[in-house]
Amino acid sequence: AQSVTQLGSHVSVSEGALVLLRCNYSSSVPPYLFWYVQYPNQGLQLLLKYTSAATLVKGINGFEAEFKKSETSFHLTKPSAHMSDAAEYFCAVGGFSGGYNKLIFGAGTRLAVHP
Amino acid sequence: DAGITQSPRHKVTETGTPVTLRCHQTENHRYMYWYRQDPGHGLRLIHYSYGVKDTDKGEVSDGYSVSRSKTEDFLLTLESATSSQTSVYFCAISEKGLPYEQYFGPGTRLTVT
Repeated sequence: AQSVTQLGSHVSVSEGALVLLRCNYSSSVPPYLFWYVQYPNQGLQLLLKYTSAATLVKGINGFEAEFKKSETSFHLTKPSAHMSDAAEYFCAVGGFSGGYNKLIFGAGTRLAVHP
Repeated sequence: DAGITQSPRHKVTETGTPVTLRCHQTENHRYMYWYRQDPGHGLRLIHYSYGVKDTDKGEVSDGYSVSRSKTEDFLLTLESATSSQTSVYFCAISEKGLPYEQYFGPGTRLTVT
């Protein structure tokens, strides 16, 4: 079975500070990993995805994530937070476990950015 | 933005009444999904479709049914709504299976009183 754990339901940073959102996964098959962002009253938007090519994945809006198999992690980072980054972020794992072709989402991390 | 619309966007209904939510896409994508979003749970898959008239259950399918008679439409039905089904419902589409990403609709906020 696949699962995702996002450490920290709320993260608060100052504008210009490093953003680090943590995601650990469990998967019995080679995983595909995704980060999505949700702005208030909107649907989810893809930030980036890992598909077994490069372990360091660059996404939109200056975000990147590194796949670390030994740590079963896929943490999301951004060097300098901007006020517009305030949103909820979801990590998701996908794979062909049990014949299902689907994503399992984490519970989400709400990022607050203060001046 | 992917062409996905959901209707209605907001609905309030009473316990025991049937409710149907509609997802419409203009992308001609094969895969369609229904999720519910609840605080502390992220998104959980209700049902998904991998083609016209081809559907399967997700992790929280009890109390829900789906139908897909055309590529562009995926309907989610609550046969007899309960208060535990108060949630925000998202439709998503994907051109192919994994690792292709899913594109999400704007959501439907359903309140069951």
